[in-house]
Amino acid sequence: NAGVTQTPKFRVLKTGQSMTLLCAQDMNHEYMYWYRQDPGMGLRLIHYSVGEGTTAKGEVPDGYNVSRLKKQNFLLGLESAAPSQTSVYFCASSYRQEQFFGPGTRLTVL
Amino acid sequence: GEDVEQSLFLSVREGDSSVINCTYTDSSSTYLYWYKQEPGAGLQLLTYIFSNMDMKQDQRLTVLLNKKDKHLSLRIADTQTGDSAIYFCAERNTGGFKTIFGAGTRLFVKA
Repeated sequence: NAGVTQTPKFRVLKTGQSMTLLCAQDMNHEYMYWYRQDPGMGLRLIHYSVGEGTTAKGEVPDGYNVSRLKKQNFLLGLESAAPSQTSVYFCASSYRQEQFFGPGTRLTVL
Repeated sequence: GEDVEQSLFLSVREGDSSVINCTYTDSSSTYLYWYKQEPGAGLQLLTYIFSNMDMKQDQRLTVLLNKKDKHLSLRIADTQTGDSAIYFCAERNTGGFKTIFGAGTRLFVKA
């Protein structure tokens, strides 16, 4: 089992560019999450999904969109990147009370 | 609102015990977690405790929960250099999808 994987690992964008971060899990989990991690702060929930075809807003959803077309994949999109979106992005999936995290994507917006 | 607070840094000598503390505000929290994050990696679940428990021990790790004071601690016995990492406290309600994370405690282990 690969667990939770994320692509890409690193990315540099210019302000206004768009990109999609991909998260994949092979554990057949229903629930999936996108978080961002900023220095001196805990993880903050951007969006989450409770199953294929469903998504919901988390704590900091503005500027992001998500899709869950397949159970194993959860995509995070930035339509028009801003410097405030410079962060490390983590995807997670969960089964009952345990969350499993991917290795993260470090995004820099210039 | 819900909040989880931790001290930012802790430094210990190799072989000593480390105690990382956390306070939370949501009295309805059901699950309380400790995660470990090594440099450049994602969060790894170390252990968790149900709110109806006072203590949980797992090898070198001991979790203590004081529900009255809403205080959670993680004790690492015989701390090793490999334990150097950031440790996150987190809490979640039953049936909730939102996990609230603290800012993390960076543990330095001196040889």
